[in-house]
Amino acid sequence: KQEVTQIPAALSVPEGENLVLNCSFTDSAIYNLQWFRQDPGKGLTSLLLIQSSQREQTSGRLNASLDKSSGRSTLYIAASQPGDSATYLCAVGNTGNQFYFGTGTSLTVIP
Amino acid sequence: DAGITQSPRHKVTETGTPVTLRCHQTENHRYMYWYRQDPGHGLRLIHYSYGVKDTDKGEVSDGYSVSRSKTEDFLLTLESATSSQTSVYFCAISKGADERGYTFGSGTRLTVV
Repeated sequence: KQEVTQIPAALSVPEGENLVLNCSFTDSAIYNLQWFRQDPGKGLTSLLLIQSSQREQTSGRLNASLDKSSGRSTLYIAASQPGDSATYLCAVGNTGNQFYFGTGTSLTVIP
Repeated sequence: DAGITQSPRHKVTETGTPVTLRCHQTENHRYMYWYRQDPGHGLRLIHYSYGVKDTDKGEVSDGYSVSRSKTEDFLLTLESATSSQTSVYFCAISKGADERGYTFGSGTRLTVV
């Protein structure tokens, strides 16, 4: 069974800082990896989807990388803003069309 | 979220009663999923569907059943609700895990008292 770990569990940074969120997984035979954002009491919003053949994806201030061989992905957020405060979830897609989720990193950006 | 709605948004029910949650999509996606989200556990897959009348179990399927009689609707039934099933339930849709990934609904908060 795929195990997905996200470190740190919580992170607090001042506005304007660049930051990196980490995701690791145990089974490197993945189809893809997806990063989500979840605001309190809300559903999940997809941020970036990386296919297994790709090394990274970028959207605005966000950049996600994937290293399948080491079982790691990072989400880089540039020039953080208070509106970036949320929980960020990593999900790994294996065979059988199932995603396995980490428990998330709770990010607080302090104005 | 556009294209996927869950109902109800909130529900309180008593132990031992059956409960049905509904997920409706307008995207004509083949795959639909039910997850539950609990503190410390992240999201865990309950059941999923890969077509009309085609369903399969996830890692936490005990006590739950599902049905999909139409492409657009995926129902999750708690046959006899227990307090351990108090959770937030999310529906998700996908063309396929190797394509565009997931789109999630807004969730149903279920409390079993």
